[in-house]
Amino acid sequence: EPEVTQTPSHQVTQMGQEVILRCVPISNHLYFYWYRQILGQKVEFLVSFYNNEISEKSEIFDDQFSVERPDGSNFTLKIRSTKLEDSAMYFCASSEGLRGPNYEQYFGPGTRLTVT
Amino acid sequence: RKEVEQDPGPFNVPEGATVAFNCTYSNSASQSFFWYRQDCRKEPKLLMSVYSSGNEDGRFTAQLNRASQYISLLIRDSKLSDSATYLCVMHTGGFKTIFGAGTRLFVKA
Repeated sequence: EPEVTQTPSHQVTQMGQEVILRCVPISNHLYFYWYRQILGQKVEFLVSFYNNEISEKSEIFDDQFSVERPDGSNFTLKIRSTKLEDSAMYFCASSEGLRGPNYEQYFGPGTRLTVT
Repeated sequence: RKEVEQDPGPFNVPEGATVAFNCTYSNSASQSFFWYRQDCRKEPKLLMSVYSSGNEDGRFTAQLNRASQYISLLIRDSKLSDSATYLCVMHTGGFKTIFGAGTRLFVKA
């Protein structure tokens, strides 16, 4: 069964450093997403991406964040200058479409980001 | 009012019990609805989509009531492996997905 993969599984970084989180969505999916989940809290939408551009972003997704699809398979989330409050689990997801069952999103296993 | 509200629980039920969760939403433009389950420190996994006509998948039944703006999930014959957090998820037709905070379920032997 196809699945979304993410690397690394755990990233530790110092405050102020840049991090890049990587995702490989399911191959025939066209829509890609990043979410974060702070420990003990709910899953929060960050950004959606379609046709090589951002479709929608939340208020969390400020200028410190960027996304990119550098090639035909990878989808990355970059945090330019990490803060302590960026510590969270970051999930990548993908979906085939935007209507009905095609909007079903499949999640990767997540990257746990720890900012010290 | 929160966009999506769920009873956080926890629901503690014995094996074999029937348990139901509700989720209310405030945005009447919400178009697509889903139930996901999340095990501790794992990714959300899609359980089922929710349709206005209601849909069933084995022991799981989901319903959508647009007039009252809620969705429900019914689990029959609970198993130990059903212990998880159940997430109500929706999107409004744009590209944004909204998650509820989840309802925790513990199924006991």
